Amino acid sequence: GENVEQHPSTLSVQEGDSAVIKCTYSDSASNYFPWYKQELGKRPQLIIDIRSNVGEKKDQRIAVTLNKTAKHFSLHITETQPEDSAVYFCAASIGGVIYNQGGKLIFGQGTELSVKP
Amino acid sequence: ETGVTQSPTHLIKTRGQQVTLRCSSQSGHNTVSWYQQALGQGPQFIFQYYREEENGRGNFPPRFSGLQFPNYSSELNVNALELDDSALYLCASSRKGGNEQYFGPGTRLTVT
Repeated sequence: GENVEQHPSTLSVQEGDSAVIKCTYSDSASNYFPWYKQELGKRPQLIIDIRSNVGEKKDQRIAVTLNKTAKHFSLHITETQPEDSAVYFCAASIGGVIYNQGGKLIFGQGTELSVKP
Repeated sequence: ETGVTQSPTHLIKTRGQQVTLRCSSQSGHNTVSWYQQALGQGPQFIFQYYREEENGRGNFPPRFSGLQFPNYSSELNVNALELDDSALYLCASSRKGGNEQYFGPGTRLTVT
């Protein structure tokens, strides 16, 4: 069935270092890959997403890369800051015009990122 | 913050009871999806509603049901509550054909 694997489960970095979180997905029909940040007790917040017709997308200190052949996608955070500390979730879905499956998001297990000052 | 709201914030129920959770979608969004997030895990898709009809369902039993109203708000109903139903229930709204889903703050359900 559909599955998204996410690694690592925990990640600790020093302020200013880079952080990388990796995900793999099983359904080759997936065409939309969002990343969410969830702080303790708060809602998941969409921070960046990528569609299958794009290999890389950047937004300031955050970037996402997608390798469709290997069914891998990754989140890169540069110049990390203490406020980046949170749980990050990757997800995959079949969305857009191919919407007959409801556009459901399949989430990874989450990565707890800790940025030490 | 998104414009998605949920009520109530917290709820405590006894095993076997029934519960109704509510969600108001963001302005301009006509699709609502519901997710269950157990402690320490990623959200799991329950179902999605579009034009007041269920439009996709995850691996949840029939005692999980929902409604969508003409103003696009939605309800999640759970009958015969079990201890394992204790979780954070999140709704997310989106545009039909749009990929982005924006989450509400969630309802924390505890079943004792």
